[in-house]
Amino acid sequence: DVKVTQSSRYLVKRTGEKVFLECVQDMDHENMFWYRQDPGLGLRLIYFSYDVKMKEKGDIPEGYSVSREKKERFSLILESASTNQTSMYLCASSPTTGPLIPLPRGYTFGSGTRLTVV
Amino acid sequence: KQEVTQIPAALSVPEGENLVLNCSFTDSAIYNLQWFRQDPGKGLTSLLLIQSSQREQTSGRLNASLDKSSGRSTLYIAASQPGDSATYLCAVRGGMRSGANNLFFGTGTRLTVIP
Repeated sequence: DVKVTQSSRYLVKRTGEKVFLECVQDMDHENMFWYRQDPGLGLRLIYFSYDVKMKEKGDIPEGYSVSREKKERFSLILESASTNQTSMYLCASSPTTGPLIPLPRGYTFGSGTRLTVV
Repeated sequence: KQEVTQIPAALSVPEGENLVLNCSFTDSAIYNLQWFRQDPGKGLTSLLLIQSSQREQTSGRLNASLDKSSGRSTLYIAASQPGDSATYLCAVRGGMRSGANNLFFGTGTRLTVIP
């Protein structure tokens, strides 16, 4: 089974701290994604990456940055955490299309990190 | 921009009933549609993936259909069980207009199956 592992289930951080959320996948997927999920707003895309060292902004990138130094690992960074970044953060991965995978495949999600900023 | 709507927002049914969850989307130029299940405080578990060229997919008691031209999908759950209680999310993977790497989510249907 494809596994997407998020390093922490629950985190509590103080306002102004630099926060790292880690995500690792074990299926050699090219694409990786970070979402946040808030009640009434659903899932919103923060950043995604389609290759090592590549990154693209999603719908709500402000206040966040990402790092993808290795194919299997995609990190979300909150440069200076604020209370409005309290949320559930979800990482996902998917393979890219190509000769062996002609149709876009589904996404596999991690179990989420519940971040509280106080 | 792609908009995904799920109706109803919440549903309660007695155990054993068959039920249908609905999903609609505004841009029919999609690559695929995926149904997920989310338990409280947990991540998303993929249930079914339907490619744009397909009309339905089945897995156990679940059957998902796709009518791309009308922008609709349904998730049918047969003989519901209390363990089916969860939030069900529909997501479409964007086509040419929305970007192939974008996954657009509905806000989900919260299902409660009463023993």
